[in-house]
Amino acid sequence: DQQVKQNSPSLSVQEGRISILNCDYTNSMFDYFLWYKKYPAEGPTFLISISSIKDKNEDGRFTVFLNKSAKHLSLHIVPSQPGDSAVYFCAVNNAGNMLTFGGGTRLMVKP
Amino acid sequence: EAGVAQSPRYKIIEKRQSVAFWCNPISGHATLYWYQQILGQGPKLLIQFQNNGVVDDSQLPKDRFSAERLKGVDSTLKIQPAKLEDSAVYLCASSLAQGLSGANVLTFGAGSRLTVL
Repeated sequence: DQQVKQNSPSLSVQEGRISILNCDYTNSMFDYFLWYKKYPAEGPTFLISISSIKDKNEDGRFTVFLNKSAKHLSLHIVPSQPGDSAVYFCAVNNAGNMLTFGGGTRLMVKP
Repeated sequence: EAGVAQSPRYKIIEKRQSVAFWCNPISGHATLYWYQQILGQGPKLLIQFQNNGVVDDSQLPKDRFSAERLKGVDSTLKIQPAKLEDSAVYLCASSLAQGLSGANVLTFGAGSRLTVL
């Protein structure tokens, strides 16, 4: 039973354009939603989060949008840079304080 | 602030052999997690400790996997005997104590890559 799904395994974007990464979840009781970024041979690093009581959170070039009725969240990166090329994971934080991760989306930003 | 330390970074063993991974979390972080990441998939939680007690080990294959966190600091994850499907990166993470408000942000180590032949 996959609680968190990232349906696009990969995404290719031109430098300077917007990258949009999507994530769907099944349980409306999740408290927080997080995005992590992972470079090869490194552990995932925290990027940005959003509370279930909000619909938008912005941090520099990164914005996360939450659509609770659709059980969908997205990460927008504007403008995209070659250094953003990585695997992005969405994760949900439940009352037990565990993080459950999606399968990841590999973003490639072309110069 | 020092990060989460893991060793070894790489390990190659034959099936039915045993292996152990070590993790030192960020100082002061009460909660420690072990995740398994198979190639092409997201990290999957194996076990969660709060200090030296187990909070959740429902997804730990207990017939071959074991983990401990003596004294509530360092932790070891052991696999015995290993199977081919155990080939994965084993990620250790830590976070501040449960019950705090806000998102539970985990800090991950670089991982230990296991190859079972």
